Amino acid sequence: DVKVTQSSRYLVKRTGEKVFLECVQDMDHENMFWYRQDPGLGLRLIYFSYDVKMKEKGDIPEGYSVSREKKERFSLILESASTNQTSMYLCASTGTDTLRDTQYFGPGTRLTVL
Amino acid sequence: GDSVTQMEGPVTLSEEAFLTINCTYTATGYPSLFWYVQYPGEGLQLLLKATKADDKGSNKGFEATYRKETTSFHLEKGSVQVSDSAVYFCALSRNQAGTALIFGKGTTLSVSS
Repeated sequence: DVKVTQSSRYLVKRTGEKVFLECVQDMDHENMFWYRQDPGLGLRLIYFSYDVKMKEKGDIPEGYSVSREKKERFSLILESASTNQTSMYLCASTGTDTLRDTQYFGPGTRLTVL
Repeated sequence: GDSVTQMEGPVTLSEEAFLTINCTYTATGYPSLFWYVQYPGEGLQLLLKATKADDKGSNKGFEATYRKETTSFHLEKGSVQVSDSAVYFCALSRNQAGTALIFGKGTTLSVSS
């Protein structure tokens, strides 16, 4: 079974802190994604990566950056956390055929910024 | 641009009732369509998918048919159980390689015994 793991289930940070969210997948997938999930808004794409060291902005990249130094690991970075970044963050991965392949999701990290 | 619209919830049903959650989409090209489910406290997991017109995806008693003529992918189940209580997301693949899914806003289903 594909497994996508995220470093924390719950995280509480203060405004202005630098925050790292880590995601690891064990299926040698090329493509990895970070979404945020908010009530009434569904899932929105923050960033994605289609290869090591490659990244593309999604729909809401402002305030975030990402890093993909190894194929299995995709990190989301909040350079200076703000209260409006309080949300559920979901990581996903998929194989080469992104039009047809299933995206596999991690359990999510619920981030609270105080 | 591409988009997904699904019925707003919450949907509240009694056990063994029939379920329909409507999903319509706008897309260029020939996207694949997906239904994901999120149980309380968990991430999303694939429920079913269809990759071309007239395909029917099915899993765990749920079904959805890819209707290109009506741009729809409605989720149905003949007899729901309490364990089906979850949030259901309709999604489509973007028509560009290497990009992500576009999700609807989610529909919360609550089933009571």
